[in-house]
Amino acid sequence: GENVEQHPSTLSVQEGDSAVIKCTYSDSASNYFPWYKQELGKGPQLIIDIRSNVGEKKDQRIAVTLNKTAKHFSLHITETQPEDSAVYFCAASKAAGNKLTFGGGTRVLVKP
Amino acid sequence: DVKVTQSSRYLVKRTGEKVFLECVQDMDHENMFWYRQDPGLGLRLIYFSYDVKMKEKGDIPEGYSVSREKKERFSLILESASTNQTSMYLCASSSYRSEQYFGPGTRLTVT
Repeated sequence: GENVEQHPSTLSVQEGDSAVIKCTYSDSASNYFPWYKQELGKGPQLIIDIRSNVGEKKDQRIAVTLNKTAKHFSLHITETQPEDSAVYFCAASKAAGNKLTFGGGTRVLVKP
Repeated sequence: DVKVTQSSRYLVKRTGEKVFLECVQDMDHENMFWYRQDPGLGLRLIYFSYDVKMKEKGDIPEGYSVSREKKERFSLILESASTNQTSMYLCASSSYRSEQYFGPGTRLTVT
């Protein structure tokens, strides 16, 4: 089955700096890669996703890159703000709507 | 807005009890999922369902069962709760080819 590894497990950044989280996956049949943000006391919420026919996708301060050959994808948050502090999860799936395999999560702390 | 609700936010049960966790979604989604979340392990899939009365095992189904009698409701059952089932349980739903939407989670403690 699919295996997703996520690094780092914790990340502390100064407000205004960038944050990068990296994930690798094992199943070359995976084609859908979402990123979820989980705030304290809440369920995960999708912040951005990318499909295998796209190498990069941006949404304001958030971007995701995908390298299918190397089987890795990354989340980039620029100009971090205190409200970006949360746990972030990457995941992989054969298609949107299908079951997801998640990475272990990254706790991000943005220091003012 | 999509809404996924879970019957309890916090639950405390004793070892050996039968435990029911309920999940309801209001968006007519075909697909529903149960995950458990543990520190450092991310979310792990327990069971999922792509249609009413249909269920499939996820990565860690041992000690759990599920029921989906109606499209909007997906129940997770712990037949005989054990302390190693103390965890956060998250329900999610999705439509064909769409993102998964998560509920707020149920923190279950088995003593």
